[in-house]
Amino acid sequence: NAGVTQTPKFRILKIGQSMTLQCTQDMNHNYMYWYRQDPGMGLKLIYYSVGAGITDKGEVPNGYNVSRSTTEDFPLRLELAAPSQTSVYFCASRPAGLDQANEQFFGPGTRLTVL
Amino acid sequence: GQQLNQSPQSMFIQEGEDVSMNCTSSSIFNTWLWYKQDPGEGPVLLIALYKAGELTSNGRLTAQFGITRKDSFLNISASIPSDVGIYFCAGRKQGGSEKLVFGKGTKLTVNP
Repeated sequence: NAGVTQTPKFRILKIGQSMTLQCTQDMNHNYMYWYRQDPGMGLKLIYYSVGAGITDKGEVPNGYNVSRSTTEDFPLRLELAAPSQTSVYFCASRPAGLDQANEQFFGPGTRLTVL
Repeated sequence: GQQLNQSPQSMFIQEGEDVSMNCTSSSIFNTWLWYKQDPGEGPVLLIALYKAGELTSNGRLTAQFGITRKDSFLNISASIPSDVGIYFCAGRKQGGSEKLVFGKGTKLTVNP
């Protein structure tokens, strides 16, 4: 298994541009998540999904959109990039059930800079 | 938004020393998790705790779920250089099973 993969690793955007951050997992996990991590801070939940076709807002959803058309993929869309969206974005997934084996597995992250 | 207070913010220790860090909240959590993040990588789960009072070990790491359900502790014994990184606590509230709340992290530096 490749686990959770994210592309791209790095990206620089101009203000007002749009882009999609890709996230794919090959573990057949039901749940998927998008977090952002600002310097010196913990992770904050942007959106999550409990299964294909179902998404819900996290703590900081403004400026982002998501979709979950398949179990494997959970792309994050930025429509009008703003400097405040400069951050490192992490995708995570987990299977159903609450025990240590089923906690969130994180991807390597996408470092986004908006200038 | 909900915050977890994680301390200390950073630690500088000598190889071989023991390390303690903790996380506190004003709210009750039913799950406490401890993650480690290496530079340029995503967090990796170290220990998960699901019951108040639970004490769980993973090698040289030991974590405890506080009796009040509002705090958790992580101890690292006999530190080694590869323990360097940022350690995050995360909590999950009852009924909010998909929303983890993260602390700001403890940055650990181990001098050989």
